[in-house]
Amino acid sequence: AQSVTQLDSQVPVFEEAPVELRCNYSSSVSVYLFWYVQYPNQGLQLLLKYLSGSTLVESINGFEAEFNKSQTSFHLRKPSVHISDTAEYFCAVSSAYNNNDMRFGAGTRLTVKP
Amino acid sequence: DADVTQTPRNRITKTGKRIMLECSQTKGHDRMYWYRQDPGLGLRLIYYSFDVKDINKGEISDGYSVSRQAQAKFSLSLESAIPNQTALYFCATSDPTEGPYEQYFGPGTRLTVT
Repeated sequence: AQSVTQLDSQVPVFEEAPVELRCNYSSSVSVYLFWYVQYPNQGLQLLLKYLSGSTLVESINGFEAEFNKSQTSFHLRKPSVHISDTAEYFCAVSSAYNNNDMRFGAGTRLTVKP
Repeated sequence: DADVTQTPRNRITKTGKRIMLECSQTKGHDRMYWYRQDPGLGLRLIYYSFDVKDINKGEISDGYSVSRQAQAKFSLSLESAIPNQTALYFCATSDPTEGPYEQYFGPGTRLTVT
């Protein structure tokens, strides 16, 4: 089965600073990769996903993630964060052959301070 | 109105009680999922269903049961609640023909077992 490790449980940053949330995965088969965001008292929302093609994927609110097969990583980045980006971020992986078993990381709590 | 709804949103119950968490969706998706979220552990899959007649165990199904009453409804039951089932529970749906492998989450049910 696949597994995901999010290397930082909490990331505090100041507004307008860059941020990187790290995610490494393990799998013996081809994978699909996802970043979900959870705002306080809400369910998870898909932020971006990698299925195939370009290894750099972007979201509509300025986040991007790069699939690095050799390093088995899918780090999430944003060049300049806003207060409204404060949330918990989950990296997830599923087999490209069986989406029924999606594995989530433990989450990274991003806190943006003024 | 939300596409995926969960009731109740919060519940406190006592050890040994039977409890049911309900999930309804208006997205018309065939696939539905139940997850639990624990701090530091991320989300773990309890059960999933491809349609009314297809129910499958997930990573941590012991102590739980489910019922798929209709395409739109998927209930999770704890037959005899125990304190380590205190967690945040999420229902999710997906349709592999629509944005492959993306899951849509409800707002969650916070369950406390005393």
